[in-house]
Amino acid sequence: QSALTQPASVSGSPRQSITISCTGAGSDIGGFNYVSWYQHHPGKAPKLIMFDIGNRPSGVSNRFSGSKSGSTASLTISGLQSEDEADYYCSLYTSRSTVLFGGGTKVTVL
Amino acid sequence: QVQLVESGGGVVQPGRSLRLSCAASGFTFSGYAMQWVRQAPGKGLEWVGDISYDGSHKYYADVVKGRFTISRDNAKDTVYLQMNSLKTEDTAVYYCAGGLRYMDVWGKGTTVTV
Repeated sequence: QSALTQPASVSGSPRQSITISCTGAGSDIGGFNYVSWYQHHPGKAPKLIMFDIGNRPSGVSNRFSGSKSGSTASLTISGLQSEDEADYYCSLYTSRSTVLFGGGTKVTVL
Repeated sequence: QVQLVESGGGVVQPGRSLRLSCAASGFTFSGYAMQWVRQAPGKGLEWVGDISYDGSHKYYADVVKGRFTISRDNAKDTVYLQMNSLKTEDTAVYYCAGGLRYMDVWGKGTTVTV
């Protein structure tokens, strides 16, 4: 069984930087290249903020950046703002043409 | 503008069926793979399944395989989720989303309570 593991929570002060990790395990993760990240404010539709590891969709702030090392992908939010307080999910399109989501990380701006 | 609107949610007894719909507008629906994702109360996002742009390929999460079926009508710009043999653990907000490797358009969700 493949899985993506994220920390349950991460916090930071305004203007600081934080990093959320997403570690993949299992035979379905393949090259771990098709990783995307979603921001989810409760009660609203999730929003794509990063795709294919480090690509930002048009309109997403450049304070968000993505990277990968081995089977761990990371999302960094720099210059933390109050509006960044939300749940963040990593996702992987697997070698079996299925999709995995991480358990989600709650970001708190102190 | 680009929009997905889900409908069909409601309260249903265990063992019964329900069909969700997701109407698309503002983009070329027939060129997009579509996904269903759900979020149970107090839990994270969970992938349910997807369908290719032409409906020829479908994939499902193990927990719904054999009970849920995804279909689409490109003439109506609509994707469906047929849910049979519903269980209490299927209670969730159900979102449709567009895209395959990543989901770049999302609906606001519809709530299913079993």
